[in-house]
Amino acid sequence: DAMVIQNPRYQVTQFGKPVTLSCSQTLNHNVMYWYQQKSSQAPKLLFHYYDKDFNNEADTPDNFQSRRPNTSFCFLDIRSPGLGDAAMYLCATSRGTGSSYNEQFFGPGTRLTVL
Amino acid sequence: QKEVEQNSGPLSVPEGAIASLNCTYSDRVSQSFFWYRQYSGKSPELIMSIYSNGDKEDGRFTAQLNKASQYVSLLIRDSQPSDSATYLCAVNGDDSWGKFQFGAGTQVVVTP
Repeated sequence: DAMVIQNPRYQVTQFGKPVTLSCSQTLNHNVMYWYQQKSSQAPKLLFHYYDKDFNNEADTPDNFQSRRPNTSFCFLDIRSPGLGDAAMYLCATSRGTGSSYNEQFFGPGTRLTVL
Repeated sequence: QKEVEQNSGPLSVPEGAIASLNCTYSDRVSQSFFWYRQYSGKSPELIMSIYSNGDKEDGRFTAQLNKASQYVSLLIRDSQPSDSATYLCAVNGDDSWGKFQFGAGTQVVVTP
């Protein structure tokens, strides 16, 4: 089945220790997104890629970086995690961004704990 | 500031009844509308998308869109305990690429 896969599902890191979260997709979608979701809050978009074009949200901290080496994979790097970065990190994909192509499909998420 | 508003709930619904969820949005030029279901500790799952005014039915779910009044609703018929979850409304605007604006979600609790 075509799907969005995230690894690891649970990540524990120490304050200030870099961490990388990965996302892969077999949907062959052009667009990949990274969201941060904290408890009882709406998902917050961090950035997205349309093919290789990177788009950063204005309020995404510099501590968060992303890479998309090919169509299937996308990575989220948190350079120096703080306690406030503990959250669920969601990867999503869509075929495109115009109407009828913009349905977003989410992976299972990575729960990040910062000690 | 573009906003999407939902009643946070919890919305308590007896098993077998109809659950009615509402969502209003502020961006008048919004074109695409989505409902996601999110179980506690899990990721959002797309259950409905709607692009045109009127009703769209898929199984026990019906989405209703009224662009003039800027609201979109979701009806869940014959509610089951497995429908107990948070339902997120997402709206895609007509800006340069159509960023999703999510509501904070409505928690639905289906009671046996």
